[in-house]
Amino acid sequence: DAKTTQPPSMDCAEGRAANLPCNHSTISGNEYVYWYRQIHSQGPQYIIHGLKNNETNEMASLIITEDRKSSTLILPHATLRDTAVYYCIVRVAYGSARQLTFGSGTQLTVLP
Amino acid sequence: GAVVSQHPSRVICKSGTSVKIECRSLDFQATTMFWYRQFPKQSLMLMATSNEGSKATYEQGVEKDKFLINHASLTLSTLTVTSAHPEDSSFYICSAIDRVETQYFGPGTRLLVL
Repeated sequence: DAKTTQPPSMDCAEGRAANLPCNHSTISGNEYVYWYRQIHSQGPQYIIHGLKNNETNEMASLIITEDRKSSTLILPHATLRDTAVYYCIVRVAYGSARQLTFGSGTQLTVLP
Repeated sequence: GAVVSQHPSRVICKSGTSVKIECRSLDFQATTMFWYRQFPKQSLMLMATSNEGSKATYEQGVEKDKFLINHASLTLSTLTVTSAHPEDSSFYICSAIDRVETQYFGPGTRLLVL
């Protein structure tokens, strides 16, 4: 699976949009971009995933660049409960390589 | 999203005893489940892949005789830590893949071996 690079930490004001970047310059054509988050002492929570088109759900939006070498997760109105470690993971969705490989992620702190 | 449960949420045991952790997919069937381990201030590390009806596949460095995995049904996988020692104290997390191959995680089990 392609390796990802994320900033180690970010702050965001409550109520503002949180934009979390991720670089995945070695991504392959059949690899998806997944985002998970882990709130302290809990299991990771699935947020969103995409292949090449932008995606949006009730939690967040995922913007993938046209060359697919980077992406941005957007939390439109961050709350204190969004404070967590956010993981960007690139993985083949179908096939034998199905496990998720976690990097160090980005610690997002939402400030009041 | 899909729900995965784990039991117990935390356990304290004496050194040398065995501990069983259950992982259940509550609203979907999962032919594949994964077991991860997370030490303080570190990221999740994959321990093994659990496939329903077949033997688990362990990652390099993970002792299969120490961490016994059983995936007897499409909704249940168990991890048994045998002869636990203090260095096995960790946060154990399972995950399950749904029919569209999205992976959902359980809430984790915190194991403390005294």
